[in-house]
Amino acid sequence: GAVVSQHPSRVICKSGTSVKIECRSLDFQATTMFWYRQFPKQSLMLMATSNEGSKATYEQGVEKDKFLINHASLTLSTLTVTSAHPEDSSFYICSASIDNYGYTFGSGTRLTVV
Amino acid sequence: GENVEQHPSTLSVQEGDSAVIKCTYSDSASNYFPWYKQELGKRPQLIIDIRSNVGEKKDQRIAVTLNKTAKHFSLHITETQPEDSAVYFCAASRAGGGNKLTFGTGTQLKVEL
Repeated sequence: GAVVSQHPSRVICKSGTSVKIECRSLDFQATTMFWYRQFPKQSLMLMATSNEGSKATYEQGVEKDKFLINHASLTLSTLTVTSAHPEDSSFYICSASIDNYGYTFGSGTRLTVV
Repeated sequence: GENVEQHPSTLSVQEGDSAVIKCTYSDSASNYFPWYKQELGKRPQLIIDIRSNVGEKKDQRIAVTLNKTAKHFSLHITETQPEDSAVYFCAASRAGGGNKLTFGTGTQLKVEL
């Protein structure tokens, strides 16, 4: 149980274009979704926390106008990387809390901006 | 906010030996401490977790210890096998559904034959 489906798994886009990443909770309702970014050989860094029906909370240093998060339903949260640049190339992964203690992760999206 | 430090960054052991990875955290309100194994390009996989009301937890070859007073916790892997080679992350959070998980910096474990 408690599966989060993340798509796409890989995407290559041109500089200046936008890319949308989706995370769907398949068998539970995800009130809160966390979005992480992971550069090669580094840790998972929290970008933002999204709550269904309200604005996302962004971590310090993360541009909210560049990384648009929408959490319009209890089963879908999206991250849109706007005007992507090569330095945005990274592994993006979502996570939902599944009870008071546990977390479940999406399978991740490898974004390459060329 | 929470800050989690993890050591060592790389660890090489011989097959059959034990491996120990240590983490410290800063937020005394943190009460949930999971450990994840991540293979390249994959999602983190939970291998063991501990809550602050216990000091030690064991699952076969894997154990975790927690010292709340000192705010540090450790992962112990015994009888290491080549398939244990991966990156391991510790993490910390406050219990309660909407609370974020803060990760340590990661340890690249290599088990050599």
